Amino acid sequence: QVQLVESGGGVVQPGGALRLSCAASGFTLRNYGIHWVRQTPGKGLEWVTFIHYEGNDKHYADSVKGRFTISKDDSRNSLYLQMNSLRDEDTAVYYCARDQGPGKTGIDYWGQGILVTVSS
Amino acid sequence: DIQMTQSPSSLSASVGDRVTITCQASQDISNFLSWYQQKPGKAPKLLIYDASNLETGVPLRFSGSGSGTDFTFTISSLQPDDIATYYCQQYEILPLTFGQGTRLEIK
Repeated sequence: QVQLVESGGGVVQPGGALRLSCAASGFTLRNYGIHWVRQTPGKGLEWVTFIHYEGNDKHYADSVKGRFTISKDDSRNSLYLQMNSLRDEDTAVYYCARDQGPGKTGIDYWGQGILVTVSS
Repeated sequence: DIQMTQSPSSLSASVGDRVTITCQASQDISNFLSWYQQKPGKAPKLLIYDASNLETGVPLRFSGSGSGTDFTFTISSLQPDDIATYYCQQYEILPLTFGQGTRLEIK
């Protein structure tokens, strides 16, 4: 069955960096685009970034543009989110989530989420 | 960005009640809308996509309707297992945007 498992979260100081991983199983990343979505009690669900299944088309929320980078390794069926210059407001539960695809589609499967805390 | 306005923010109903949640988009999104259920400590779960299509395995008491800017999510007969927070989400254009959620409680 489709599974997405995030790892790499934790506590980091403001200005620091963290790399999240998302291991996919039950399907191949060569055929599906993937989103990262984060959630906080205050701001609710916020879309962060998307990578097309071909890997050559990436999109970012304005709030993370220039600081976060999405990438993937099809041979490992894994996805990554490199987060640099972290701020307090990046504190959230981060989910990787599969795009239903193809065409204009939404999210069908979500990982269990991983907590990122930015604090001094 | 497309703003999604969801109401009510919370709702208390009895088992067996019909429950309705609305979601309004700030611009025309055709039928590019999903509804999700989220239970505490868990990831969101897809219930409805393309505004009215029921995801495989989701009980028939859940339904969705609407197009353009106004959408409705309905539970025809509320069950105890339906206690959760529900979100709408548009995918007409990036950035994907979500409603602020409706917390559903049993009266």
